[in-house]
Amino acid sequence: DAKTTQPPSMDCAEGRAANLPCNHSTISGNEYVYWYRQIHSQGPQYIIHGLKNNETNEMASLIITEDRKSSTLILPHATLRDTAVYYCIVSSPRAGNNRKLIWGLGTSLAVNP
Amino acid sequence: DSGVTQTPKHLITATGQRVTLRCSPRSGDLSVYWYQQSLDQGLQFLIQYYNGEERAKGNILERFSAQQFPDLHSELNLSSLELGDSALYFCASSVVEYREVPGELFFGEGSRLTVL
Repeated sequence: DAKTTQPPSMDCAEGRAANLPCNHSTISGNEYVYWYRQIHSQGPQYIIHGLKNNETNEMASLIITEDRKSSTLILPHATLRDTAVYYCIVSSPRAGNNRKLIWGLGTSLAVNP
Repeated sequence: DSGVTQTPKHLITATGQRVTLRCSPRSGDLSVYWYQQSLDQGLQFLIQYYNGEERAKGNILERFSAQQFPDLHSELNLSSLELGDSALYFCASSVVEYREVPGELFFGEGSRLTVL
């Protein structure tokens, strides 16, 4: 599975958009980009995932560059409750049900009032 | 609430002891994953079970073992505990996976193990 690089920390003002970058320059053609977040030692929470097209759900938007070597998670209107560690992970679906995600240290996002 | 239940939430024990952590996956999920998160570290994948069978192994020590029972709950057994085993242990479950599009993992709230 490809490795990802994320900034260790970011700040964002409440109500503004939070744009979290992720570099995955060694991503291969069948690998998906996943985003999870972890709020203060709670269990990680799934946010969104994508392969090549941009994706949007009720939580966030995922923008993947055309060459797929990087992506950005966008929280459109950050709130204090979005303060968390955000993990960007790439992983390929495997035959059967073997799938393990390799987690880095993520980006610690602080949303400030 | 993810639907994944882990017990106990907190556990304090001494070096050399053995503990068992329990996980009940979401209703209908056949896959269970175990992860370890030490202080200020990312999650380390330990092991995965699918419908009772071991499917993938990560950085799991020989002192650790796991199993998934017919009712799909899983247990992680940690023995000969060392100070360095102090960590958060997370269980996650997922729906039956599609070959082409992987789904998301649903995590429990974790079991915090402290070895003194």
